[in-house]
Amino acid sequence: LAKTTQPISMDSYEGQEVNITCSHNNIATNDYITWYQQFPSQGPRFIIQGYKTKVTNEVASLFIPADRKSSTLSLPRVSLSDTAVYYCLVDAGRRALTFGSGTRLQVQP
Amino acid sequence: EAGVAQSPRYKIIEKRQSVAFWCNPISGHATLYWYQQILGQGPKLLIQFQNNGVVDDSQLPKDRFSAERLKGVDSTLKIQPAKLEDSAVYLCASSLVSVSTDTQYFGPGTRLTVL
Repeated sequence: LAKTTQPISMDSYEGQEVNITCSHNNIATNDYITWYQQFPSQGPRFIIQGYKTKVTNEVASLFIPADRKSSTLSLPRVSLSDTAVYYCLVDAGRRALTFGSGTRLQVQP
Repeated sequence: EAGVAQSPRYKIIEKRQSVAFWCNPISGHATLYWYQQILGQGPKLLIQFQNNGVVDDSQLPKDRFSAERLKGVDSTLKIQPAKLEDSAVYLCASSLVSVSTDTQYFGPGTRLTVL
């Protein structure tokens, strides 16, 4: 099972772009990379998922290099409401999600 | 579309007491998960159901925890007797199918405090 490593915390200011990088050196061929967001007192919420190259949706972009040993979640122009914990997950062939400790993003005004 | 419902939202009990949590998944979702989230950590899977059958309960402390999903819809998670280390948020999630690439939808959780 691929293990992920991501920064414990990050700070940013409103309007900035935030990039959170996740390392997953042991990713398997059939693994997908998924990011979830969790606000205090709420359950995690799906943000984005990808397998390779770049994926973009209305919330974020996910960049995955060719070797797939890392991935970067990019949040454009963050606001105070983006303050949350962001989890990077790598799973395939398993039905449930394996969460690490996540990255705590604090957005300042 | 209604989300995953959980109740109660908060529960305070004393150690050695019993407690039960309830979850109603999104309509039509075959797979239901219970996670335990200790403060400062990511959620940890306790048990996964596919319809009303157990798929994975390898991390469920079966000496004190039990769960059921009768009729393949609602689910209850019970702890008996509770220990101090059971203080956590218990999250229920559901998904349409049971592959890891399928989006899981989480409920708000039940915050349990064991005194």
